[in-house]
Amino acid sequence: KQEVTQIPAALSVPEGENLVLNCSFTDSAIYNLQWFRQDPGKGLTSLLLIQSSQREQTSGRLNASLDKSSGRSTLYIAASQPGDSATYLCAVILFGNEKLTFGTGTRLTIIP
Amino acid sequence: NAGVTQTPKFHILKTGQSMTLQCAQDMNHGYMSWYRQDPGMGLRLIYYSAAAGTTDKEVPNGYNVSRLNTEDFPLRLVSAAPSQTSVYLCATNIDTGELFFGEGSRLTVL
Repeated sequence: KQEVTQIPAALSVPEGENLVLNCSFTDSAIYNLQWFRQDPGKGLTSLLLIQSSQREQTSGRLNASLDKSSGRSTLYIAASQPGDSATYLCAVILFGNEKLTFGTGTRLTIIP
Repeated sequence: NAGVTQTPKFHILKTGQSMTLQCAQDMNHGYMSWYRQDPGMGLRLIYYSAAAGTTDKEVPNGYNVSRLNTEDFPLRLVSAAPSQTSVYLCATNIDTGELFFGEGSRLTVL
């Protein structure tokens, strides 16, 4: 059974700093991995999707990497801003299985 | 293009009552799914549908769904229990696996 872990559960950093969020998964036979953002009381917004054949994806100040052999993904946020404060979740899909397994998320607070 | 629309946003009902959470999408995506989100437990898949006319469940009991057309995927709580107090999120997939979520329905069962 695929398990997805995100540590730490919460993180606070001063505005302007670069930061890394971590995601670990137990089964490396993944089809893809996604990073989402969730604001309080809202649904999830897809940030980046990395296919199994890719090693990273970039969108603006966000960069997500994937290392299947070690079962890890990171989300790098450059030059953090207060508007980046949210909960960030990662999720994986295994080959041959259309269902996502989610991590429990990291709650990020950017301190002005 | 509204994406994924969920109604109601909030609802309170009593134990034993039934209700239906609505989910509609206008993106013509085949795959739709329902998750519940609880503090400390992340998102858990409840039901999914690969296409109109097909459904499959991930967790037993207490819920059922129908997928009569591509656009709508309602989730019915047959006889609500306090353990079903949660935030319910509906999502659609495209072929790459990217998900698009609605804003959620917050349900309280007393």
